Amino acid sequence: DAGITQSPRHKVTETGTPVTLRCHQTENHRYMYWYRQDPGHGLRLIHYSYGVKDTDKGEVSDGYSVSRSKTEDFLLTLESATSSQTSVYFCAIGLARGDTQYFGPGTRLTVL
Amino acid sequence: GENVGLHLPTLSVQEGDNSIINCAYSNSASDYFIWYKQESGKGPQFIIDIRSNMDKRQGQRVTVLLNKTVKHLSLQIAATQPGDSAVYFCAEKGQGAQKLVFGQGTRLTINP
Repeated sequence: DAGITQSPRHKVTETGTPVTLRCHQTENHRYMYWYRQDPGHGLRLIHYSYGVKDTDKGEVSDGYSVSRSKTEDFLLTLESATSSQTSVYFCAIGLARGDTQYFGPGTRLTVL
Repeated sequence: GENVGLHLPTLSVQEGDNSIINCAYSNSASDYFIWYKQESGKGPQFIIDIRSNMDKRQGQRVTVLLNKTVKHLSLQIAATQPGDSAVYFCAEKGQGAQKLVFGQGTRLTINP
């Protein structure tokens, strides 16, 4: 998984609770991405970062926020989780804009 | 995860045969393409990539062919093995774009 870890790997939470997912890389890649993967939709970009403190929205950013205070860490926060956010979340890293992305092992999130 | 790709196209091949997985893309301005492999419960794994100035690229047991005229990409896997069972999907990047666009994938199953 190209030096990428995600934590936790599995989480079950209740509607309305805050949740933070962590992505950690040891590759010193500039770009980091958060995707969600759902049946029938494939991978959809939530947010991405092109440097420390530099982030931008993806196609499904509503209900999510991100932070990147260090090159190696990219956090995804669900301020108030909803059942529609039940999904598998993948972090990815890349060297350059739009270039090859390498994925982490994923986090399975269930919101009851 | 195990629920990803519940209704994906499926390709079944005999062990030892060659597999050909296809991907149609819509953006004639796309200039970079990637094939990923995703095993159940794991993150997508980079297999091979190709830029639009090439028609063919070979890796270890894999070949990617790009036909820009009909906007078609294919992945050929030689001498398919049980470990090749997975979902395979392509990704494309439009010229000047910052992000990859992912297809939904094809499930490859290997018959003994």
